[in-house]
Amino acid sequence: LAKTTQPISMDSYEGQEVNITCSHNNIATNDYITWYQQFPSQGPRFIIQGYKTKVTNEVASLFIPADRKSSTLSLPRVSLSDTAVYYCLLLTNHGSSNTGKLIFGQGTTLQVKP
Amino acid sequence: DTAVSQTPKYLVTQMGNDKSIKCEQNLGHDTMYWYKQDSKKFLKIMFSYNNKELIINETVPNRFSPKSPDKAHLNLHINSLELGDSAVYFCASSQLGVSGANVLTFGAGSRLTVL
Repeated sequence: LAKTTQPISMDSYEGQEVNITCSHNNIATNDYITWYQQFPSQGPRFIIQGYKTKVTNEVASLFIPADRKSSTLSLPRVSLSDTAVYYCLLLTNHGSSNTGKLIFGQGTTLQVKP
Repeated sequence: DTAVSQTPKYLVTQMGNDKSIKCEQNLGHDTMYWYKQDSKKFLKIMFSYNNKELIINETVPNRFSPKSPDKAHLNLHINSLELGDSAVYFCASSQLGVSGANVLTFGAGSRLTVL
């Protein structure tokens, strides 16, 4: 099963742009790159998902190069409330079936400082 | 309305006891999951049910028994609790998206402490 590798921790300051890179060298054709955010004492929350190129929503942007072996989550102008653990994982599209196996890595702990 | 709700939020019990955690989702999703998050924050899938049918059963001790009475509910019963069972247990549900892979919605977690 395809695994992901991301930095264990990152520090940033309020107002800065934060980029978290995830490596997934063995990504499969049917895999979608997905990012989750987890605050202390809460369950993970979906942030963004993409297959190739660039995806942007109201929370973040996801940059995916042509070879799809890595991806970068970009958080614009972070605030203290963005302090959380960010997980990169691969979700497999099995067509009409929902039997995809989901593997979370250790995540990246982002600490935003004032 | 809470999309995925689990009860209890906190559970403290003695070794050897039997306990249950309940989960309900009101999203109309077909698939539900149980995940375990240990003290090092690793999230590991334990079970997955699709329309009440068990489809993923990871290497989990037989003391853990999931039950899905209908596709909106997935409960987890744990027999003979051990110290190593202390963790946060997350319930989640998902539905395959039209344009992409299925996205999970997680509950707030149930923190189990075994003394």
